[in-house]
Amino acid sequence: QSALTQPASVSGSPGQSITISCTGTSSDVGNYDLVSWYQQHPGKAPKLVIYQVNRRPSGLSDRFSGSKSGNTASLTISGLQAEDEADYYCCSHVGGSTPFVFGTGTKVTVL
Amino acid sequence: EVQLVESGGGLVRPGGSLRLSCGGSGYSFISQSMNWVRQSPGKGLEWVSSISSHSDYIYYSNSVKGRFTISRDNAKNSLYLQMNSLRVEDTAVYYCTRSPGTLVDTGTNDYWGQGTLVTVSS
Repeated sequence: QSALTQPASVSGSPGQSITISCTGTSSDVGNYDLVSWYQQHPGKAPKLVIYQVNRRPSGLSDRFSGSKSGNTASLTISGLQAEDEADYYCCSHVGGSTPFVFGTGTKVTVL
Repeated sequence: EVQLVESGGGLVRPGGSLRLSCGGSGYSFISQSMNWVRQSPGKGLEWVSSISSHSDYIYYSNSVKGRFTISRDNAKNSLYLQMNSLRVEDTAVYYCTRSPGTLVDTGTNDYWGQGTLVTVSS
């Protein structure tokens, strides 16, 4: 099972919106509405920000939103803030004997 | 508050063994499936292994199959990863994660431990 494909880096200015893509196949992203996204600050454990494509965990800012079209999922961060600077990973259920496959990761820089 | 706390990491020689533990608290441990996810230095996240709530479904990535064994003790609220025949490429921070539900079929790791570092080096 190959890793899902994400852009290596995305940047934006404070207040702007950015979108991170996550491209898989018809066996993973395209086959299940079970895509999740994680935020990871340096030296810290990842934190869930989106699950089941577009659901936010309780208490998480509504500046984070998710969507999916075909084999590609997306994470949008609106009203970009300095604290959003981090690495972001997507993840999809695959089925069979492989419950998860992660994306390659995207470094978000706030200019 | 849900908490996951890993332990057992350290320095080990190639070919050696190590056993990681993860204690869960703040929720019904027996009701949720669990996973191990690792991250090599400066690299991305890699799924390692998963176990359903009652240990009836167990999965491994191809990179660890035959060398690692996942298990859990619901009476002790604990998850384990027995790692044998360790290789230099197994060097990573190992995270214990929780998946909602009894089966590993949600595509979600909703809580993560702080991680434990495993270094395989001669």
